[in-house]
Amino acid sequence: QSALTQPASVSGSPGQSITISCTGTSSDVGGYNYVSWYQQHPGKAPKLMIYDVTNRPSGVSNRFSGSKSGNTASLTISGLQAEDEADYYCNSYTSTSTNYVFGTGTKVTVL
Amino acid sequence: EVQLVESGGGLVQPGGSLRLSCAASGFSFSSYWMSWVRQAPGKGPEWVANIKQDGSERHFVDAVKGRFTISRDNAKNSLYLQMNSLRVEDTAVYYCVRTPQPVVRGVFDYWGQGTLVSVSS
Repeated sequence: QSALTQPASVSGSPGQSITISCTGTSSDVGGYNYVSWYQQHPGKAPKLMIYDVTNRPSGVSNRFSGSKSGNTASLTISGLQAEDEADYYCNSYTSTSTNYVFGTGTKVTVL
Repeated sequence: EVQLVESGGGLVQPGGSLRLSCAASGFSFSSYWMSWVRQAPGKGPEWVANIKQDGSERHFVDAVKGRFTISRDNAKNSLYLQMNSLRVEDTAVYYCVRTPQPVVRGVFDYWGQGTLVSVSS
């Protein structure tokens, strides 16, 4: 099972909106509404930001939103802030034997 | 406050064994599936294994089947990962992760700080 495909890097200025894509197949992203997104600051553990494609856990800013179209899921960060600079990973259930597959990761830089 | 604290990592030679432990607090441990997720240096996370609340179901990624075992002790609020026949490619930070149901969703809502396992000769 190959990792889900994400852009290596995305950047934006403070206050802007950015979108990170996560492309899979009909066996994972496209086949199930089980996409989650994780934020990871250097040296820290990942933090759940979005689950079930669009849902935000309690305590996560509403500047973070998720969506999906076909085999591609997306994470949008609006009103970009310096603290949003981090690595972001998507994750999906997959019908293959690996059960879950993470994305390749995207480094978000706030200019 | 949910807390997950891993221990047991270290440097081991190829073919060796290690047992990781995770101490959980701040939630009803016996009510949750639990998982181990690892992250190799400079790479994305990789789900390794999970275990049902009562230990009656366990699932593993193909890469560790037959070598790793996951277990739990609900009386001690603890999760374990026994790793045998370790390979260089098992080198990673290993995270203990709470996994809400239904587990098919792949939601990992709380993570420990991780413990580093290095496999090298």
